[in-house]
Amino acid sequence: DIVMTQTPSSQAVSAGEKVTMSCKSSQSLLYNENKKNYLAWYQQKPGQSPKLLIYWASTRESGVPDRFIGSGSGTDFTLTISSVQAEDLAVYYCQQYYNFPRTFGGGTKLELK
Amino acid sequence: EVKLQQSGDELVRPGASVKMSCKASGYTFTDYAMHWVKQSPGQGLEWIGTIIPLIDTTSYNQKFKGKATLTADKSSNTAYMELSRLTSEDSAVYYCARGYEVMDAWGQGASVTVSS
Repeated sequence: DIVMTQTPSSQAVSAGEKVTMSCKSSQSLLYNENKKNYLAWYQQKPGQSPKLLIYWASTRESGVPDRFIGSGSGTDFTLTISSVQAEDLAVYYCQQYYNFPRTFGGGTKLELK
Repeated sequence: EVKLQQSGDELVRPGASVKMSCKASGYTFTDYAMHWVKQSPGQGLEWIGTIIPLIDTTSYNQKFKGKATLTADKSSNTAYMELSRLTSEDSAVYYCARGYEVMDAWGQGASVTVSS
């Protein structure tokens, strides 16, 4: 199974700050035939279901604000929020869909400073 | 609007089984796979398995083989998951989620509490 490791596990932020969080996979998620990284990011707010933010490592889902930026390739990925808003306080999960079983990282929780 | 409506919360006895549903609307049910995901209290997300309703094919996380059984009814656009021989370790919120690769729409979740 591909192990997904997210750091940090929690982060205290202030509104307007730039935030970055990391996701590392135990094997490459880059499929050489199409040059795509099979990595997604989800946001889960308290008491809600997860919501897809980004797929193919850097493509924003429709309706997701452009302050959410996914980057990285191979085994190292980053989710950046360029200017954190109060509504962004949530847990963020990365997930690989390179193979089965699908696996998620442990999550990064954004909290208010 | 894509919507996945899950059945209600369940309180079940240890050793029993439970079957939950996920009714899809707003899209063609057979155009997408359906995943099931477990979230234990205060924990992260764990993929249980997926079913492709068009061809009635399933794929399971080895950890959940023998625990979870996924089915789908194309006539009612509904996916089902049955969990058997329940223990306290199965107490969790269970989500259905649409998609082949990424999970682009999620149900509201169904809580299962295993208690005598």
